[in-house]
Amino acid sequence: DVKVTQSSRYLVKRTGEKVFLECVQDMDHENMFWYRQDPGLGLRLIYFSYDVKMKEKGDIPEGYSVSREKKERFSLILESASTNQTSMYLCASSLPGQGGGYTFGSGTRLTVV
Amino acid sequence: AQSVTQPDIHITVSEGASLELRCNYSYGATPYLFWYVQSPGQGLQLLLKYFSGDTLVQGIKGFEAEFKRSQSSFNLRKPSVHWSDAAEYFCAVGFQKLVFGTGTRLLVSP
Repeated sequence: DVKVTQSSRYLVKRTGEKVFLECVQDMDHENMFWYRQDPGLGLRLIYFSYDVKMKEKGDIPEGYSVSREKKERFSLILESASTNQTSMYLCASSLPGQGGGYTFGSGTRLTVV
Repeated sequence: AQSVTQPDIHITVSEGASLELRCNYSYGATPYLFWYVQSPGQGLQLLLKYFSGDTLVQGIKGFEAEFKRSQSSFNLRKPSVHWSDAAEYFCAVGFQKLVFGTGTRLLVSP
């Protein structure tokens, strides 16, 4: 069964820590995305990538960075975690140009204390 | 600016009754249109999508949606709701990169 796997379902980190959220897909998709989901705000795009070693800022990139060294893996990095980054983080992947829609991971609920 | 509006934050429907969830969008061109469903604590699952052609599209779990270009709308419908349909529903638009609405939480009463 094809899927997108996020390494952690729940994470608790301290303010100021560097946090890595990992996402791996096994569908050979070129496109990968990181969103955060907050009540009443829906999903907001943090970063995305259309190819290996390529990355582009989404709507809310401040405080985040990403890494895509291999096609199947897209990592989200919180350089110095803050309490306002407490959220649900969703990774998704898709094929380019065909509008096939996203396949989502199950999400990582991050709490920063 | 690109945006998606889901005007209803919560909707309560009796089991067996019909359902319509509203979605309006603002986009430069007619985008691809999607509906996703999210069960509690889970990621999002694709219900259906529209690219072109017949403006009434069928999806999984008995859902359908109608695209109305003149109204920039893509409303989701189901003729008879089941208790298992209780979830949060997201409308999304775009091409390779999607813009999501804020979601509508569906509650199903017995």
